[in-house]
Amino acid sequence: AQKVTQAQTEISVVEKEDVTLDCVYETRDTTYYLFWYKQPPSGELVFLIRRNSFDEQNEISGRYSWNFQKSTSSFNFTITASQVVDSAVYFCALSAVGGGADGLTFGKGTHLIIQP
Amino acid sequence: SQTIHQWPATLVQPVGSPLSLECTVEGTSNPNLYWYRQAAGRGLQLLFYSVGIGQISSEVPQNLSASRPQDRQFILSSKKLLLSDSGFYLCAWSVGQRITDTQYFGPGTRLTVL
Repeated sequence: AQKVTQAQTEISVVEKEDVTLDCVYETRDTTYYLFWYKQPPSGELVFLIRRNSFDEQNEISGRYSWNFQKSTSSFNFTITASQVVDSAVYFCALSAVGGGADGLTFGKGTHLIIQP
Repeated sequence: SQTIHQWPATLVQPVGSPLSLECTVEGTSNPNLYWYRQAAGRGLQLLFYSVGIGQISSEVPQNLSASRPQDRQFILSSKKLLLSDSGFYLCAWSVGQRITDTQYFGPGTRLTVL
């Protein structure tokens, strides 16, 4: 079985601070994909990134960056110079070819609050 | 570009009433389609997925059913709603046939069963 753990239920920071959202995953499969989604108050899940298990290069997209470390089974997400518009619930998810599930396995999400 | 629609956006139904939620995708053909439920407290649970017309797989036993009458239409139904069916229902699609392909989500339907 596969599992995604987001230990941080809620994080509150002041605008312009950097913040890191943690994601730890479990899977027996050697080929898998990791995702991050953003869920603003409107409810729609917005896709942010997809990373496969063979690519451990960190990725940066504007103020967003992702740190994938297979050794610790982690796929952490950092927002630099946070803004109020970053306030949302962020989900980490896993999909594995042989994982036994037919969809994404989501973590429970981290509610990020950016205070002005 | 591809877009995904869900309706209604919100729904309040009494216990024991039927349910029909609809999801349609535009701009792509033969997508994989998914229904997820997000109960209060945020976790998302896969309910059904479909790789083609008339092909439905269920992830968990429940009071709900799904159908795919057309290539880009996915319907979630119930004959008799339970209180526990309340939640936020999200439809998703992926362009490929692999479960590892990126899934794109619709705006969701918020269902309250009273």
